[in-house]
Amino acid sequence: SQTIHQWPATLVQPVGSPLSLECTVEGTSNPNLYWYRQAAGRGLQLLFYSVGIGQISSEVPQNLSASRPQDRQFILSSKKLLLSDSGFYLCAWSVVYGELFFGEGSRLTVL
Amino acid sequence: DAKTTQPPSMDCAEGRAANLPCNHSTISGNEYVYWYRQIHSQGPQYIIHGLKNNETNEMASLIITEDRKSSTLILPHATLRDTAVYYCIVRVAFTGNTPLVFGKGTRLSVIA
Repeated sequence: SQTIHQWPATLVQPVGSPLSLECTVEGTSNPNLYWYRQAAGRGLQLLFYSVGIGQISSEVPQNLSASRPQDRQFILSSKKLLLSDSGFYLCAWSVVYGELFFGEGSRLTVL
Repeated sequence: DAKTTQPPSMDCAEGRAANLPCNHSTISGNEYVYWYRQIHSQGPQYIIHGLKNNETNEMASLIITEDRKSSTLILPHATLRDTAVYYCIVRVAFTGNTPLVFGKGTRLSVIA
């Protein structure tokens, strides 16, 4: 069966520090991969999605970037965090379109 | 993808049926209706989807009106664990790689 792992689960970072969140999927090949963010009290915002290695589509211009170095690995990064980057970050995958499977999420607090 | 409209919040007594409405008056003939829910501090969970026929699975039933301009998600016997934000999304399935876009959803509170 397919599983998705996301880490770290929680982190507290100072403003201006770098960020790296990692997501891996097991049990499937060539998945579509996504990064969503949910700010406190707000809805889900799509940040990036990828349909293959090295292929990244950005939905919202901001302080973040994404990379897909391997088929089942998706990384969210920032060189310098802002206060507004705080939130709940969710990685997701799909094969059959429309059915998304989400990870457990990473809660980021920028101080 | 067509836009959806959902009430911001609803309450339901435990053990009763929860009926969550969704309006999608601009839906196209090849667009499906998807439902997800998000329990606090977790990732969203897929519930059900349908095109024009009513659908039922172990979690819920989906009733789509004949003109397909609205739908209702039914949780037949709501429990406290069904308290969550429920998202109704309309999109064309199997179109390649356009991702799902979530709206604000309906916050369902199941009350003991």
